[in-house]
Amino acid sequence: DAMVIQNPRYQVTQFGKPVTLSCSQTLNHNVMYWYQQKSSQAPKLLFHYYDKDFNNEADTPDNFQSRRPNTSFCFLDIRSPGLGDAAMYLCATSRGSGQGDNEQFFGPGTRLTVL
Amino acid sequence: ELKVEQNPLFLSMQEGKNYTIYCNYSTTSDRLYWYRQDPGKSLESLFVLLSNGAVKQEGRLMASLDTKARLSTLHITAAVHDLSATYFCAVDRTSGTYKYIFGTGTRLKVLA
Repeated sequence: DAMVIQNPRYQVTQFGKPVTLSCSQTLNHNVMYWYQQKSSQAPKLLFHYYDKDFNNEADTPDNFQSRRPNTSFCFLDIRSPGLGDAAMYLCATSRGSGQGDNEQFFGPGTRLTVL
Repeated sequence: ELKVEQNPLFLSMQEGKNYTIYCNYSTTSDRLYWYRQDPGKSLESLFVLLSNGAVKQEGRLMASLDTKARLSTLHITAAVHDLSATYFCAVDRTSGTYKYIFGTGTRLKVLA
């Protein structure tokens, strides 16, 4: 089945220790998104790629970086995690089309704990 | 700036009852989506609404879209405990960056 996969599902890191979260998709979608979601809040978009074009949200901290080496994979790098970065990180994909719908398909998420 | 508001934020209801969740958005938008999220889980797509007057139904849930009023509703019929979850609406445009603007979410608790 076509799907969005995130690894790891749970990540524990120490304060200030870099961490990388990964996302892969078999949907062949043009757009990949990274969201941060904290408890009882809506997902907050960090950035997204349309193919290789990177789009950063204005309020995304510089501590967060992303890479998309090919269509299938996208990575979220947190260079120096702080306690406030503990959250669920969601990856999503969509066709990125102006025709029809642009339904986003979400991966299972990575729960990040910062000690 | 496009804003999306949902109400209520919290909803506690008895099994068997009917209720409606409202999603208002501030400017013209082309497409509207409803998602469900269980505690500790990711988002699951429920409905995609693309045009004025669109209505979609799945089981006890029915979603509708009124683009003139900038309003979408998610109606719950004869609620059951399994519907307990947080429901989000989201809108996007057919041009530009295609990013979603999410509503605040409605946390639904169905009491047995």
